[in-house]
Amino acid sequence: DGGITQSPKYLFRKEGQNVTLSCEQNLNHDAMYWYRQDPGQGLRLIYYSQIVNDFQKGDIAEGYSVSREKKESFPLTVTSAQKNPTAFYLCASSIGSWYGYTFGSGTRLTVV
Amino acid sequence: SQQGEEDPQALSIQEGENATMNCSYKTSINNLQWYRQNSGRGLVHLILIRSNEREKHSGRLRVTLDTSKKSSSLLITASRAADTASYFCATEDQGGKLIFGQGTELSVKP
Repeated sequence: DGGITQSPKYLFRKEGQNVTLSCEQNLNHDAMYWYRQDPGQGLRLIYYSQIVNDFQKGDIAEGYSVSREKKESFPLTVTSAQKNPTAFYLCASSIGSWYGYTFGSGTRLTVV
Repeated sequence: SQQGEEDPQALSIQEGENATMNCSYKTSINNLQWYRQNSGRGLVHLILIRSNEREKHSGRLRVTLDTSKKSSSLLITASRAADTASYFCATEDQGGKLIFGQGTELSVKP
């Protein structure tokens, strides 16, 4: 089945650590996106990539980094510079915004 | 930056009733999309309405778009307990990225 897979489902980070969230899709979509969702809030765009080896900052990119070495993969690293990383992270892909986005099931990151 | 704003923020109804959620946006759009999110899960694309369309149906869903008022509504008819979820509208910014509203939390009581 085609889809988009995020792992892990739950992730715990200690102060000062970098952690990487995985996002893989087998939909052959060119564009991929990372959003952050805080409790009771909408989605805020962190980074997006419309083609391999290229990506752009979204509205809240500070403290995050990404790579897009393969079409299928768009990992997000939450660095120690992100002071308030506890949130629900959602990855999405699309063939074009006219066709809607396909979302993964999310990773819940908690700072311990 | 928030483009769409949903109203109401929360809605509680009985099974069998209709649920209406509204979305307002600020700039001109190519299309407007509605998504559903079950608690703790990813979003699911429900329906897309183009800027030159006024109404669109999909099963028990009916979406309207009024570009003169920069607003859209999502109607769920004959609601079921399984419709309990958060519903988000999304519009495309100039860079082709979707900007999501804050969402309406719908609770359908059996």
